[in-house]
Amino acid sequence: GAGVSQTPSNKVTEKGKYVELRCDPISGHTALYWYRQSLGQGPEFLIYFQGTGAADDSGLPNDRFFAVRPEGSVSTLKIQRTERGDSAVYLCASSPDPGRNEQYFGPGTRLTVT
Amino acid sequence: GESVGLHLPTLSVQEGDNSIINCAYSNSASDYFIWYKQESGKGPQFIIDIRSNMDKRQGQRVTVLLNKTVKHLSLQIAATQPGDSAVYFCAENTGGFKTIFGAGTRLFVKA
Repeated sequence: GAGVSQTPSNKVTEKGKYVELRCDPISGHTALYWYRQSLGQGPEFLIYFQGTGAADDSGLPNDRFFAVRPEGSVSTLKIQRTERGDSAVYLCASSPDPGRNEQYFGPGTRLTVT
Repeated sequence: GESVGLHLPTLSVQEGDNSIINCAYSNSASDYFIWYKQESGKGPQFIIDIRSNMDKRQGQRVTVLLNKTVKHLSLQIAATQPGDSAVYFCAENTGGFKTIFGAGTRLFVKA
């Protein structure tokens, strides 16, 4: 079956611009996670959704970052007033239920802020 | 505090040998410890997890060992193959939904 997909695969934007990153989880997975991964580092937790609601957004670095999942499936990570330090690979993962440690990751979106 | 780290950033092994990847953690309250594999250009892939009340768990060609006394976790890969070349991350889950990843170890398999 289809895995987690993320679009775009690459995004280059200028400092100060607004970007949206999309995640399509595996069908039927209720849990959805966003992570940020810098070069040479492990993924850094950003936010977790259970269904439509953000159950834990403690990893969002500041109020320029926001994520939604209005229908409990597709999720969008939104970054306002991008900064060069936001450059990273943004990973999305889904899981059949929140009690499972096994998360299925997408290939990520590489964001470059110039 | 919450932190997961690794002893070695790179590991090189001969094809067919066993590999051991080590990880240190500091949060004694973690409920689960997890190993992920990440190949270049891909997202991490779940390998195996172990609950904090266990000290060993085996999967297909992999074994995870947990030593809570010294807060140490290891992943053993038997008969390492070229396809095992990747970055390996240990991670921990404290019972909530936040998974904390370490910085990773790159495994090179020499043919």
